[in-house]
Amino acid sequence: RKEVEQDPGPFNVPEGATVAFNCTYSNSASQSFFWYRQDCRKEPKLLMSVYSSGNEDGRFTAQLNRASQYISLLIRDSKLSDSATYLCVVNYGGSQGNLIFGKGTKLSVKP
Amino acid sequence: DTAVSQTPKYLVTQMGNDKSIKCEQNLGHDTMYWYKQDSKKFLKIMFSYNNKELIINETVPNRFSPKSPDKAHLNLHINSLELGDSAVYFCASSQDKRMLRNTEAFFGQGTRLTVV
Repeated sequence: RKEVEQDPGPFNVPEGATVAFNCTYSNSASQSFFWYRQDCRKEPKLLMSVYSSGNEDGRFTAQLNRASQYISLLIRDSKLSDSATYLCVVNYGGSQGNLIFGKGTKLSVKP
Repeated sequence: DTAVSQTPKYLVTQMGNDKSIKCEQNLGHDTMYWYKQDSKKFLKIMFSYNNKELIINETVPNRFSPKSPDKAHLNLHINSLELGDSAVYFCASSQDKRMLRNTEAFFGQGTRLTVV
């Protein structure tokens, strides 16, 4: 079983749509959680950290369910500029830390 | 100013050659990393380096070796390149080596390596 699994995608949605991405992780000792965004042929960049209580940043809402080992990202009112690959990222902690990346879900927002 | 910079951006080389990719960060971070993103777009950690402590992913062949002349630099040297080494290699850095929440990893632009 892969350490971090995501919806395979791609998601093709019209502008203004609401889209949700899901992610599950296998290691219950995981300590911190993130969503990164990667544009085509670019480097990954942090979109937002994910907190146990859930958190929101503008049109983006992240949720964490530790019992189910499940993370989600909701994007409301999709914009063309949201088109990218969204990477679910988990840190297992430890003395060094180690970010484990999911394979990513590709989002394409169409006019 | 670019926070994490890698050179070269593109590298095409023949099998069997030895090559190096350079990485520099000007963020004052303590920890640097090398990641490999293969053709299936899967990002995997290769190395993390903090205060001269090197953590190696056990799946990385020993043909790959990181070299850190100082805290701001972590170069990647690859010996005897193979076709399967073709990928995009990303350097990254973070302030907190434990990567707790609110800790962001900053990535370089990537080096697209093609072995022919």
